[in-house]
Amino acid sequence: DSGVTQTPKHLITATGQRVTLRCSPRSGDLSVYWYQQSLDQGLQFLIQYYNGEERAKGNILERFSAQQFPDLHSELNLSSLELGDSALYFCASSSTGGRQPQHFGDGTRLSIL
Amino acid sequence: TQLLEQSPQFLSIQEGENLTVYCNSSSVFSSLQWYRQEPGEGPVLLVTVVTGGEVKKLKRLTFQFGDARKDSSLHITAAQPGDTGLYLCAGDDTNAGKSTFGDGTTLTVKP
Repeated sequence: DSGVTQTPKHLITATGQRVTLRCSPRSGDLSVYWYQQSLDQGLQFLIQYYNGEERAKGNILERFSAQQFPDLHSELNLSSLELGDSALYFCASSSTGGRQPQHFGDGTRLSIL
Repeated sequence: TQLLEQSPQFLSIQEGENLTVYCNSSSVFSSLQWYRQEPGEGPVLLVTVVTGGEVKKLKRLTFQFGDARKDSSLHITAAQPGDTGLYLCAGDDTNAGKSTFGDGTTLTVKP
């Protein structure tokens, strides 16, 4: 058990819709990272927050946004969903502000119909 | 453009065999991580290497960071079915200000 909790585990929705994915980092970790994993693109870094502030930005689309709250949990919002957004979305956490995550959650599988 | 190339992409071996997988790049990394991911789960961090030429051992797994900090290898001795999974390397490129994952090596160890 990594200590990182992601909800929901599975999400099925339609094109054009908006969803919110939630992540609680491992206790004591200040950094939260979001990744997208698809079969054809591997694990792609989206964004990192450290203690409530955006630390680094990767290949995150403008339709996607994220934030980290004072209690350190984070949410990833995906809007105007397209078929190509179907993927596994992972949250990870770390005790430092570095670019490398230490603990991954088990992911949210998003299916767009 | 793939910053980190992992090879082979797929590897299927019998229990008891040895194997080596590789992670190569043209970029210099300040650190490099290896993870193992099993189906339905998130990646699990195995090791972090930071010094050129560094060798780290984790039971039957041996990790080496290249002298120039551009490449790394993972050697598994006497592989077991429990070693089956997707092995991912990730490099921290300080100059580029980014961290990148390779596409991984899918290892299957048959009993």
